[in-house]
Amino acid sequence: EPEVTQTPSHQVTQMGQEVILRCVPISNHLYFYWYRQILGQKVEFLVSFYNNEISEKSEIFDDQFSVERPDGSNFTLKIRSTKLEDSAMYFCASHDREIYRSGYTFGSGTRLTVV
Amino acid sequence: AQKITQTQPGMFVQEKEAVTLDCTYDTSDQSYGLFWYKQPSSGEMIFLIYQGSYDEQNATEGRYSLNFQKARKSANLVISASQLGDSAMYFCAMRGGGGFKTIFGAGTRLFVKA
Repeated sequence: EPEVTQTPSHQVTQMGQEVILRCVPISNHLYFYWYRQILGQKVEFLVSFYNNEISEKSEIFDDQFSVERPDGSNFTLKIRSTKLEDSAMYFCASHDREIYRSGYTFGSGTRLTVV
Repeated sequence: AQKITQTQPGMFVQEKEAVTLDCTYDTSDQSYGLFWYKQPSSGEMIFLIYQGSYDEQNATEGRYSLNFQKARKSANLVISASQLGDSAMYFCAMRGGGGFKTIFGAGTRLFVKA
């Protein structure tokens, strides 16, 4: 079964450093997302991406965050200057054209620890 | 604004029994979709079931069914014949308004007892 692949599975970084979280969505999917989950709590929407641009973003997704699809397969989330409160599990998700009937396919997540 | 409420932080069920996980939602949109996801202790998020706001029949997927009561704005998940492997966190979620994002409830942790 097709998978969404995220790397790395765990990243530890110092406060103030830049991190890039990588995702390879399912190849025929068109809609891509980043979500985060702090310590097994609520899953929070960060950003959606369609047709090579951001379609929607949350108030969490401030100027410190950016997304890119540099080569048509990878989908990256960059945090420019990490803060302690950015520590969370970050999930990439994608789905196909049938927006309203499709659940997301989530990646297995990247656990980001900011120290 | 859209909102999802799951009022049961934790639920216990005996193996082989059925269990209902509650979910209520709030939206002013006429067209929306409701979803349930499962998150086992390993951490991955697994899509279980979908219900469209215009669907006349309740959705079913194997042992999962969605009890959709539109007037009450509720979308409860029913798991029949619970198995030990059903022990997990369950999230109710909604997407609507022509937008792309899905919002999630706080989740219900289900414990299945042998």
